Amino acid sequence: DAGVIQSPRHEVTEMGQEVTLRCKPISGHNSLFWYRQTMMRGLELLIYFNNNVPIDDSGMPEDRFSAKMPNASFSTLKIQPSEPRDSAVYFCASSLRTDNEAFFGQGTRLTVV
Amino acid sequence: AQSVTQLDSQVPVFEEAPVELRCNYSSSVSVYLFWYVQYPNQGLQLLLKYLSGSTLVKGINGFEAEFNKSQTSFHLRKPSVHISDTAEYFCAVCSSNTGKLIFGQGTTLQVKP
Repeated sequence: DAGVIQSPRHEVTEMGQEVTLRCKPISGHNSLFWYRQTMMRGLELLIYFNNNVPIDDSGMPEDRFSAKMPNASFSTLKIQPSEPRDSAVYFCASSLRTDNEAFFGQGTRLTVV
Repeated sequence: AQSVTQLDSQVPVFEEAPVELRCNYSSSVSVYLFWYVQYPNQGLQLLLKYLSGSTLVKGINGFEAEFNKSQTSFHLRKPSVHISDTAEYFCAVCSSNTGKLIFGQGTTLQVKP
């Protein structure tokens, strides 16, 4: 398996624009996590899914953020409208619910100018 | 609710010296515990995990950790570090009930020659 695949690797956008981050989890995994990493706040859990269903979105900062998982092999994290304070590295991770070992993607570095 | 505290933000150590990175957690339910490592501009990689059984767990690259339920700790140790161990280390806790996986703030291990 190729591991967790995130796209794009880098994204630079202007304030106010919509940004969509994409994630393909490892085949067969049934849990998926979205994290945001910044120097100030560390690694924050934004939302996670079990069997494509959102279980806990309490970490989503505000209504500008939304996440979907339409099927077991694809998830998106959308920011609309984007703001400079959203600049961070966003990680997607997947795991098997049976042992909970999370495998991480390479991350998307988002810069909002 | 669950939380993770890494007690040291930076740990400088000389090459070939032993090191301990400290982690404490709190949770109202039973948990699984993990240590991850992050090298610059990369995602997180699993070092080791505790799910059940022996409280001393061994991981990759010569690292080990001990689960102490009474002290709610899961400290990471290595008897002799190398320059290549310089990285960011994250302790994580996963709820056995919900699968929610959260991370501590991270500890930067700086190995000096």
